[in-house]
Amino acid sequence: RKEVEQDPGPFNVPEGATVAFNCTYSNSASQSFFWYRQDCRKEPKLLMSVYSSGNEDGRFTAQLNRASQYISLLIRDSKLSDSATYLCVVLYGQNFVFGPGTRLSVLP
Amino acid sequence: ETGVTQSPTHLIKTRGQQVTLRCSSQSGHNTVSWYQQALGQGPQFIFQYYREEENGRGNFPPRFSGLQFPNYSSELNVNALELDDSALYLCASRRTGTVADTQYFGPGTRLTVL
Repeated sequence: RKEVEQDPGPFNVPEGATVAFNCTYSNSASQSFFWYRQDCRKEPKLLMSVYSSGNEDGRFTAQLNRASQYISLLIRDSKLSDSATYLCVVLYGQNFVFGPGTRLSVLP
Repeated sequence: ETGVTQSPTHLIKTRGQQVTLRCSSQSGHNTVSWYQQALGQGPQFIFQYYREEENGRGNFPPRFSGLQFPNYSSELNVNALELDDSALYLCASRRTGTVADTQYFGPGTRLTVL
């Protein structure tokens, strides 16, 4: 089993749709969680950290369920500019472990 | 922009050659990590340097080695290149011990091995 798994994708959604990404991790000792976005042929960029209480940043909401070892990202009112690959990242000790990513295409 | 820079941006080598990639960390960051990202996959952790010493390593063979310098910049060296080493190599820096513990990536070096 991979350490971090994500929805395989790709997700193709119309503008304005709500889309949810799911991520599971295998190591219960992990201490920090993040969502990154990566545009085609560019470096990953931090989208948001994920806290146990859940957190929101504009149209983006991240949730963490430690008991189920599950992380989610919800994007509301999706824009064309949201098209990218979304990477779930888990910090184990000193190491950041990336999921394979889920590609999102927002269509006009 | 993150302030993390990498050089070169692109590189073409042949099998068996050696390559050195360079990374300058963001000001105030003391930890540098290197990742390999093959096409269509997430970044895979190679190793991490803190205070000029390797303090974490992923599942990569010894022909992948590195250095960190007193100014926290870093090098990744790969010997005896193989075709499968073709990938985007990403450097990320952070300040270990900060509350957020987030890391910031450079633009990457795209290595092609022929």
